[in-house]
Amino acid sequence: DQQVKQNSPSLSVQEGRISILNCDYTNSMFDYFLWYKKYPAEGPTFLISISSIKDKNEDGRFTVFLNKSAKHLSLHIVPSQPGDSAVYFCAAQINFGNEKLTFGTGTRLTIIP
Amino acid sequence: NAGVTQTPKFQVLKTGQSMTLQCAQDMNHNSMYWYRQDPGMGLRLIYYSASEGTTDKGEVPNGYNVSRLNKREFSLRLESAAPSQTSVYFCASSETSGEKQYFGPGTRLTVT
Repeated sequence: DQQVKQNSPSLSVQEGRISILNCDYTNSMFDYFLWYKKYPAEGPTFLISISSIKDKNEDGRFTVFLNKSAKHLSLHIVPSQPGDSAVYFCAAQINFGNEKLTFGTGTRLTIIP
Repeated sequence: NAGVTQTPKFQVLKTGQSMTLQCAQDMNHNSMYWYRQDPGMGLRLIYYSASEGTTDKGEVPNGYNVSRLNKREFSLRLESAAPSQTSVYFCASSETSGEKQYFGPGTRLTVT
């Protein structure tokens, strides 16, 4: 049972345009969400997070939006750059401080120069 | 600062062989984790250690054992490897439980 779903395995975006990566979850107990970015042959690196008490969090070119009623979050990257080409994982926690992260299956983002 | 290091980077085992994956972090983090990543499955938690001296099962612990040797090191042991354990294994650490996790580069394990 996949509790965190990333339904788009891949996404291609022109350089300079907006990239939107989507994530859906089924467990209403999740209240903290994170995005990780992974380059080939490297481990994932933390990108941005959001608590369920917020509906938006920004960090530079990266913004995460949370729609709790729809159990949906999205990561926006504006403007997209070639270095953004990577696999992006959405992850969720029940209670901040809980060790267990549930990861989605990932979306491979390719930025076209 | 090397961050999180893992050895080996690659390993091929025959069914039934045993091996230990090593992980070390130099960030003075309290919590450490082992994950496996399989195609189409995302990362799944195998075991974690919230602090030195404690370990707990994650989502997929069967066939594995762990040892939190000290605050820096957290090893994962396969006692009798099976083809189903072919995967990429990631170690991670965080300052405390639930904080953002820092990942190592991974170990690609193939069991034939």
